Amino acid sequence: NAGVTQTPKFQVLKTGQSMTLQCAQDMNHNSMYWYRQDPGMGLRLIYYSASEGTTDKGEVPNGYNVSRLNKREFSLRLESAAPSQTSVYFCASSEARTTEAFFGQGTRLTVV
Amino acid sequence: AQSVTQLGSHVSVSEGALVLLRCNYSSSVPPYLFWYVQYPNQGLQLLLKYTSAATLVKGINDFEAEFKKSETSFHLTKPSAHMSDAAEYFCAVSERGGADGLTFGKGTHLIIQP
Repeated sequence: NAGVTQTPKFQVLKTGQSMTLQCAQDMNHNSMYWYRQDPGMGLRLIYYSASEGTTDKGEVPNGYNVSRLNKREFSLRLESAAPSQTSVYFCASSEARTTEAFFGQGTRLTVV
Repeated sequence: AQSVTQLGSHVSVSEGALVLLRCNYSSSVPPYLFWYVQYPNQGLQLLLKYTSAATLVKGINDFEAEFKKSETSFHLTKPSAHMSDAAEYFCAVSERGGADGLTFGKGTHLIIQP
């Protein structure tokens, strides 16, 4: 059982480039989330999708867009990458908004 | 608003010694509390969670945590540290009980000395 799978695992972008981080879960969870992790900051919520067809902003949504493609997949897009977006990005899913989250292994993104 | 404070960004213990990682929270409602562990280059794994059923919560790998409402604390302990426990540990609070309401602490890096 794979759980939450993120691709790619590592990425280097130049300032201004765009890219999409992919996330898929095979646990039939309804809710999915994108977090970013920065040194000494813990994890901060970027966007979440409570259920298929809905998305909402989290704590730090600026510079990002998301798409809940179907129940399994939730992608995060950087339209014009900035050095401040250098971070480790984690996707997570949960059965419902009130149950615990299961995390993917992360995408380490560097913007130069 | 909810918040989490983890005391000590780094904690070092000897192998076989007691592990104590401190977490204090603030919440306007009875909270749900979680401890997650992150091993190097991996995602977060749930160690244990408090959901008001019992104040002493047992998790995986012999970790446990005690909810103390009067102290607004949820400290994580393990009686005997193992080298494999070296990792980053995050305390998190949720007023809504689940993932979208999670607020994380800044993390504590646990170092195990041989």
